Amino acid sequence: EVQLVESGGGLVKPGGSLRLSCAASGFTFSSYSMNWVRQAPGKGLEWVSSISSSSSYIYYADSVKGRFTISRDNAKNSLYLQMNSLRAEDTAVYYCARDCSSTSCYWGYDYWGQGTLVTVSS
Amino acid sequence: QSVLTQPPSVSAAPGQKVTISCSGSSSNIGNNYVSWYQQLPGTAPKLLIYDNNKRPSGIPDRFSGSKSGTSATLGITGLQTGDEADYYCGTWDSSLSVVFGTGTKVTVL
Repeated sequence: EVQLVESGGGLVKPGGSLRLSCAASGFTFSSYSMNWVRQAPGKGLEWVSSISSSSSYIYYADSVKGRFTISRDNAKNSLYLQMNSLRAEDTAVYYCARDCSSTSCYWGYDYWGQGTLVTVSS
Repeated sequence: QSVLTQPPSVSAAPGQKVTISCSGSSSNIGNNYVSWYQQLPGTAPKLLIYDNNKRPSGIPDRFSGSKSGTSATLGITGLQTGDEADYYCGTWDSSLSVVFGTGTKVTVL
């Protein structure tokens, strides 16, 4: 069974940093591109960042470019999001999501974690 | 980075059909595959449709997807109370980003 479990969320002051993790199991993690998607309270989905299976390709939303860094450790089946210079508008539930385009589809996020809440407030 | 446009809400009685539109541009929907997600209250999004019109295993054929030009459409037939949720479209954009729709709340009357 495919499982994605996020952790690392919490309350942080503006300007602070936080590192999110996503532990993957039930599939060959190293074969899939992975992604972070966030959802502010009461708002819609916002794509944050994507990383290819071997970390060769990395993309960021303009809203987080230069502040967030996505990475992965295929040996540990884990995805990370280092978030620096956090702002109030970064407050959201952060989901990790598997991209099926590497294997079984042209494009789509076929599995999602349960999310971890990040609150940026003084 | 652009956002795909969806109607804020649609509604219908149980057993009826609803359609949700998703409008984009040639930089996203016009030249890429579209997927659709269902988000039940308090839960993570779930893939409903990928590659414009394909359903993952376990998704009933009451859900269907289509694409024409720079727009896509999700259809739900035989509406059930359990279908009350927020629905989002999404696709790749040529700006090397992913764009999601603004979201549509489905209400079963």
